[in-house]
Amino acid sequence: DTGVSQDPRHKITKRGQNVTFRCDPISEHNRLYWYRQTLGQGPEFLTYFQNEAQLEKSRLLSDRFSAERPKGSFSTLEIQRTEQGDSAMYLCASSEVGEVTGELFFGEGSRLTVL
Amino acid sequence: QQPVQSPQAVILREGEDAVINCSSSKALYSVHWYRQKHGEAPVFLMILLKGGEQKGHEKISASFNEKKQQSSLYLTASQLSYSGTYFCGTEVGGGKLIFGQGTELSVKP
Repeated sequence: DTGVSQDPRHKITKRGQNVTFRCDPISEHNRLYWYRQTLGQGPEFLTYFQNEAQLEKSRLLSDRFSAERPKGSFSTLEIQRTEQGDSAMYLCASSEVGEVTGELFFGEGSRLTVL
Repeated sequence: QQPVQSPQAVILREGEDAVINCSSSKALYSVHWYRQKHGEAPVFLMILLKGGEQKGHEKISASFNEKKQQSSLYLTASQLSYSGTYFCGTEVGGGKLIFGQGTELSVKP
């Protein structure tokens, strides 16, 4: 399977705990995105990378959120001291880089429930 | 910065047509369209580029008015499989893609 994979698919945690999500993009894609989606809403931009460089992080994102992409391959998204408002689907997507952004290939997402 | 989509929801009978609009307050490099079915990840439909070039994988057409910073997605002779939520994604530069709030399309037999 050469698609985007995310792990875990589901995570239930208690408020205050830390969680980490992993994304493995399509191997030849050097751009990687993280989005958050809640019911009835569009994907909300969190951050994106080109290779290992983090190009931008949403200003709406608190310091509890951090993302890395060491070596420009897989990426991790960590949420520290989770809050109930963090409950959402966390989507990862990858794309090729050209003059404009190519088609985004999305993973199945990691669903977070904070109790 | 989030693009605005209209309408928010559409109900169609099989065979009917629909138009979904996407409007941005910023100049755009490109507009993407995606469809998401319940419980699934968004799936690419089409990219519209400055200058009028289109790249898509399905028999769905769209337009991109660069001056008005608007795009429209045209669904003709709708099928049951067209049901889902449609999102436009706008690129304002640097590769960052921002999605609209979505348009829910229901196609009934």
